[in-house]
Amino acid sequence: QSALTQPPSASGSPGQSVTISCTGTSSDVGGYNYVSWYQQHPGKAPKLMIYEVSKRPSGVPDRFSGSKSGNTASLTVSGLQAEDEADYYCSSYAGTNNPYVFGTGTKVTVL
Amino acid sequence: EVQLVESGGGLVQPGGSLRLSCAASGFTFSSYWMSWVRQAPGKGLEWVANIKQDESEKYYVDSVKGRFTISRDNAKNSLYLQMNSLRAEDTAVYYCARLGGSYYHYWGQGTLVTVSS
Repeated sequence: QSALTQPPSASGSPGQSVTISCTGTSSDVGGYNYVSWYQQHPGKAPKLMIYEVSKRPSGVPDRFSGSKSGNTASLTVSGLQAEDEADYYCSSYAGTNNPYVFGTGTKVTVL
Repeated sequence: EVQLVESGGGLVQPGGSLRLSCAASGFTFSSYWMSWVRQAPGKGLEWVANIKQDESEKYYVDSVKGRFTISRDNAKNSLYLQMNSLRAEDTAVYYCARLGGSYYHYWGQGTLVTVSS
């Protein structure tokens, strides 16, 4: 199972928006509405930010939003803040035998 | 508060074995699928294994099949990963995670496994 494709980096100034893409196939991203996104600060554990394409867990600011079109999912961070600077990973369900595949990761820099 | 605390990591020689543990608290452990996810130094996340609530279903990434075994003890609220025939490429931080359906809802802080001679 190949990793989902994300851009290595993305950046924006405080207050601006940044969108990260996550491209898979019809066997994972395109086949299920089970895309999730994780934020990871250096040396820390990942944190769930979005699940089932566009749902936010309790406590996650509504500045974070998710969407999907075909085989590509996206995470948008609006109103960028300094604490949003982190690595972001997407993940998708991919069937019973190899159920979970992660993206390659995107480093978001707040300029 | 949900807490997942991993232990058991360390330095091991190639071909050696290690058993990781994850102590869970703050939720009904026996009601959830659990998972191990790893991250090699400077690299991305990789799903390793999943286990159903009653251990009736277990799944592994191809690269660890036949070498790693996931298990759990619901009476002790604990998750385990027995790792045998370790290779240099198994070097990573190993995270214990609680599954919430199709996503990893809660994560532990991780334990570092280093495979080196």
